[in-house]
Amino acid sequence: EPEVTQTPSHQVTQMGQEVILRCVPISNHLYFYWYRQILGQKVEFLVSFYNNEISEKSEIFDDQFSVERPDGSNFTLKIRSTKLEDSAMYFCASKANGGSYEQYFGPGTRLTVT
Amino acid sequence: GEDVEQSLFLSVREGDSSVINCTYTDSSSTYLYWYKQEPGAGLQLLTYIFSNMDMKQDQRLTVLLNKKDKHLSLRIADTQTGDSAIYFCAEGSSSGSARQLTFGSGTQLTVLP
Repeated sequence: EPEVTQTPSHQVTQMGQEVILRCVPISNHLYFYWYRQILGQKVEFLVSFYNNEISEKSEIFDDQFSVERPDGSNFTLKIRSTKLEDSAMYFCASKANGGSYEQYFGPGTRLTVT
Repeated sequence: GEDVEQSLFLSVREGDSSVINCTYTDSSSTYLYWYKQEPGAGLQLLTYIFSNMDMKQDQRLTVLLNKKDKHLSLRIADTQTGDSAIYFCAEGSSSGSARQLTFGSGTQLTVLP
């Protein structure tokens, strides 16, 4: 069964460093998402991406964040200058098309900022 | 904005039924979802229900939707130890085709032998 994959599973970085979290969505899916879950808090929407551009973003997704689809398979989330409060589990998700309601999630990347 | 609320913990005996409850605020929600998260794993889509339905059954899972009260429940029949996990309720935004999800805080289901 096709699945969303994410790498790395755990990333430790120092405050102020740039990190790139990587995702491989399900093949042939057209919509891509990033969500995050700070420990003990709800899963929060960050951004959705379709047709090589951001379709929606939350107020969390400020200028420190960017997303990219560098090739036909990867979808990345970059945090330019990490802060302690960026420590969270980051989930990537994908959806087949605009008429689909099923979002499939990856296993997550745990980001720890020290 | 949208808000989704769930109770944090539920314990049941193996073989009993589990009922996990959820309330939401967005009356324009089109779809409501249940996801399961096992330790160290991602969010697994269990089932979802369209807002014009009252009930959906899928093997051991039954979803009930009371749209008037904005109340959603997930019933797991014959609960097994493998059902121990965190269960998230989520509602899908009806605006745009991206349809971002708003999640509840999750209910930790513990199945006792």
